[in-house]
Amino acid sequence: GESVGLHLPTLSVQEGDNSIINCAYSNSASDYFIWYKQESGKGPQFIIDIRSNMDKRQGQRVTVLLNKTVKHLSLQIAATQPGDSAVYFCAEKIGGSGYSTLTFGKGTMLLVSP
Amino acid sequence: ETGVTQSPTHLIKTRGQQVTLRCSSQSGHNTVSWYQQALGQGPQFIFQYYREEENGRGNFPPRFSGLQFPNYSSELNVNALELDDSALYLCASSLLGRGDYGYTFGSGTRLTVV
Repeated sequence: GESVGLHLPTLSVQEGDNSIINCAYSNSASDYFIWYKQESGKGPQFIIDIRSNMDKRQGQRVTVLLNKTVKHLSLQIAATQPGDSAVYFCAEKIGGSGYSTLTFGKGTMLLVSP
Repeated sequence: ETGVTQSPTHLIKTRGQQVTLRCSSQSGHNTVSWYQQALGQGPQFIFQYYREEENGRGNFPPRFSGLQFPNYSSELNVNALELDDSALYLCASSLLGRGDYGYTFGSGTRLTVV
């Protein structure tokens, strides 16, 4: 499949390590944030989301932290597996109830070595 | 429940030609958004369709146009293709009007303009 990771920041980890991927967002009015995983040749796949009235949310092996003061998001992946290798994007939802869209960050490529 | 399907998966066109890409939204979703993803970049919002009308638009010229049909499926049309239009085109469906909601992405159409 096609590579989506050309020239992206890359994080290389060993299988079993914990991974932390960071993202800065732009709009202080954004009220909803999503992390997506994109594998080569596929569309973005939802991982976890968080609303702006929260600072932490946990899923299965993943945790998202939100720091609104510095407009920063992070995605923590516990016990990283080779299948986690992909490009990860954060996205912020901008707009109101009648119209909204997602603005994506630049992405980070995660490479997991066995 | 079916996901988002896009067709075709790959397409090669000549500069100056016109192209139509198609998207079937996820069951239960009423809104379709289109994104352009250049190699090594995050998806960029093109426009959104709701109730068969354009509901918002990103920074793309008028030669990018779309349609939404009563069954919520959608088309993206690009006229007078340029080399820089080469990208992965992603369709995402969602449910507008119910507060925060998730976007489900298709696998995309890879367009190459030569």
